[in-house]
Amino acid sequence: AQKITQTQPGMFVQEKEAVTLDCTYDTSDPSYGLFWYKQPSSGEMIFLIYQGSYDQQNATEGRYSLNFQKARKSANLVISASQLGDSAMYFCAMRDLAQGGSEKLVFGKGTKLTVNP
Amino acid sequence: DTEVTQTPKHLVMGMTNKKSLKCEQHMGHRAMYWYKQKAKKPPELMFVYSYEKLSINESVPSRFSPECPNSSLLNLHLHALQPEDSALYLCASSQGEMGTNEKLFFGSGTQLSVL
Repeated sequence: AQKITQTQPGMFVQEKEAVTLDCTYDTSDPSYGLFWYKQPSSGEMIFLIYQGSYDQQNATEGRYSLNFQKARKSANLVISASQLGDSAMYFCAMRDLAQGGSEKLVFGKGTKLTVNP
Repeated sequence: DTEVTQTPKHLVMGMTNKKSLKCEQHMGHRAMYWYKQKAKKPPELMFVYSYEKLSINESVPSRFSPECPNSSLLNLHLHALQPEDSALYLCASSQGEMGTNEKLFFGSGTQLSVL
């Protein structure tokens, strides 16, 4: 089974500063993908960024980038120039086996980010 | 249109009630999902439908009954629920079934309270 670990229950950052949210994973599959989702207080899970294990470069999407260190099995999310609207729960996720041999997306415990004005 | 719509947004029900949650997407996605999320916890998968057929049931109690009437709609029928079933129920869809890079699009969820 795959395992996702997010060790920071909560993080605080000043508006306009950068922040790094940690995610480590454990898998024996050579091919895997890592996802980051944002969940504001409204409840919706919003896809932010994806990193494939064979991708040559770290993924970037606007102000979001992944610090992907394959040997260390870490995929940390970097948010640059934080905005008040970035305050939310952030989940790291990856595939895992489900019943019957299918696959499912499993999430880490999440990190609550608070952006201070 | 990249939206997954869930209704109702809030639901309060008694343990003897029967209710249904509804989810709709018009992105042409062929896989749809139900997740359950307790407060301050990550979402946990309940069911997956792929091409309108149930492909995953994560040992969910029979008081939860999913239904996929067509490729755009997903329902979750609730009957004889327990207070511990109170949670946020999230619907999601993806273009195909879960693959290495298949991303899920989520709705805003139904906040369910069982009294």
